[in-house]
Order: sequence, then structure tokens, then C-alpha cells
Amino acid sequence: DAGVIQSPRHEVTEMGQEVTLRCKPISGHNSLFWYRQTMMRGLELLIYFNNNVPIDDSGMPEDRFSAKMPNASFSTLKIQPSEPRDSAVYFCASSPQQGYGYTFGSGTRLTVV
Amino acid sequence: QQPVQSPQAVILREGEDAVINCSSSKALYSVHWYRQKHGEAPVFLMILLKGGEQKGHDKISASFNEKKQQSSLYLTASQLSYSGTYFCGTSTNTGNQFYFGTGTSLTVIP
Repeated sequence: DAGVIQSPRHEVTEMGQEVTLRCKPISGHNSLFWYRQTMMRGLELLIYFNNNVPIDDSGMPEDRFSAKMPNASFSTLKIQPSEPRDSAVYFCASSPQQGYGYTFGSGTRLTVV
Repeated sequence: QQPVQSPQAVILREGEDAVINCSSSKALYSVHWYRQKHGEAPVFLMILLKGGEQKGHDKISASFNEKKQQSSLYLTASQLSYSGTYFCGTSTNTGNQFYFGTGTSLTVIP
């Protein structure tokens, strides 16, 4: 089991550019989550998918953020246009179902300059 | 919906015990506990479901008091490897999404 796979590990981009973060959950896990971690706000839940369907996107900061899960093995988080305040570590996590813990990916460290 | 953790930071000597608390202003359905080492992803420790149960995992255990809307993580006879930031995640419904506290930094020194 390769775990939750995220790419890229690091991303440095200029303000205004589009950024796409990718995630491959563990096979068989029905739930997928995107979190953002910063020193100031800690771990924030951005969006939660269950069986590829977005269930709760109330944490998505604004319209510049969008997430998709076209199939059970792939999800993307897109920021367009990016801003310096989007700089953070973005984690993807997956879970088999309710009642189980999350497995987090290694994260993508995003720096917007 | 973010739970509140206390203390924010704690420093222990090897072999000492520690308690980390997690409380919510809303009724809780379940609680997760995670440990994150610097530069790494959070790692799942345990889950506690509504019912006031207590769980143990080696020398780390946790309790869940749904009436008080809080959970506590107990670290016994701490080891250097226990150092890291501990997060509780709480869910207020039967859904699978959890909201995390601000974390407790724990440092174990020789």
C-alpha cells in the first residue's frame, strides 16, 4: 500500500498564476479530504468528498479555490488566481468510511510570491 | 466548529506523564487524535466514538466524555519519540468530516 500520494511536494509560483494540486487516495477509501495548514490557523478543512461527490465545501475560502474528484482514484485542488496569502501546506487525506481514522498524504508546500 | 486544545505547549522529561485536553462548544459525536512531527504529515493515533469510551494504545490512551463535550489524551512514561504536535479532530454529526484543534506542542527531553 503506497498510502495517499500527493504531487507536487513543493510548488513555488508567482501571484496570479494558476496552481493545481493532485491527490491519489488509498484504494478502497470512500472519503477524501483536503486540508490547509498554516501556523496562524492550524489545520483547516477545505472540502470533503464521499464516493467522489462533494459533501461539504463550506471551508473553501473563496471562488478562487475549486476541487474535483472525477473518479475514485484522483482528486485535484485548483487555485486560480493564486495570492501570497494562499501560501501554506495543503494536505490530502483519505478514510475507508465513518469510524476510521484518516491517512494523510505527505502534503504540498505551496509558496506564492 | 474548531475545538480548543490545552495546554498549547508542554515540555516533559523522559518518563514523565502528560495530559492534553480537547473541548468543544458543540455536542460531539466522535473524536480523533493525531500526532504530527515537524515537516511530516499528521499520523492517526486513535478514534473515540460517542458512548464515553476510553481507549489505549501502548502507553498512550484517551477518554471521551460526551456530556462535558471533551476528550483527553494521556501519555504515560513519555519517551523521546513522543515529541511532536498533537491534534484532536472532532465531529459533531454522523458525517465523516472532522475539524481540528490548534494543536499541542509536546517536547520530551532526556
